[in-house]
Amino acid sequence: EVQLVESGGGLVQPGGSLRLSCAASGFTVSSNYMSWVRQAPGKGLEWVSVIYSGGSTYYADSVKGRFTISRHNSKNTLYLQMNSLRAEDTAVYYCARMEMATTFDYWGQGTLVTVSS
Amino acid sequence: DIQMTQSPSTLSASVGDRVTITCRASQSISSWLAWYQQKPGKAPKLLIYKASSLESGVPSRFSGSGSGTEFTLTISSLQPDDFATYYCQQYNSYFTFGPGTKVDIK
Repeated sequence: EVQLVESGGGLVQPGGSLRLSCAASGFTVSSNYMSWVRQAPGKGLEWVSVIYSGGSTYYADSVKGRFTISRHNSKNTLYLQMNSLRAEDTAVYYCARMEMATTFDYWGQGTLVTVSS
Repeated sequence: DIQMTQSPSTLSASVGDRVTITCRASQSISSWLAWYQQKPGKAPKLLIYKASSLESGVPSRFSGSGSGTEFTLTISSLQPDDFATYYCQQYNSYFTFGPGTKVDIK
């Protein structure tokens, strides 16, 4: 059974950093395309970043240069390093497995990141 | 960047109603469109991919159509479990979601 479990969210001050983790089971992270998608409170979904099975990474313009997606193959875990955080980064962050570079077919339960002083 | 719009933003309906949601892309995305259902406090669930293909396990009352810039999601007979927010998502160029359509009880 495919499972994704995010962790690492919390309260951080503007300008601070946070690293999110997404532990996967039931499939191999490194063999799949994996993304982070976020949802601000009461708002819609926003794609944040993707890492392809070959290792290429891409980012939404809103986080480019501040966020870094990576994976640890032996831990079967996806990460999102978030630096220079802003109030507008406040959201629930979901990790999601992708069907190649198309749809998000499995999602975690999400982890809440709050950027506030 | 490809922008997505949805209409209506909110839809009030009754059990048994036929419901149609429209999604428009700012440029042609061929059939590279998906639909998701999201309930409060839960992760989205994939319903439809490639504009009209039903994801495994999704009830057949859900259907999708369209190509190019205009797409629709139809629920043929609304069930109590279908009250939720629905999002379209393009994957022609990176990934963009529509703003969502909330289906609530009339």
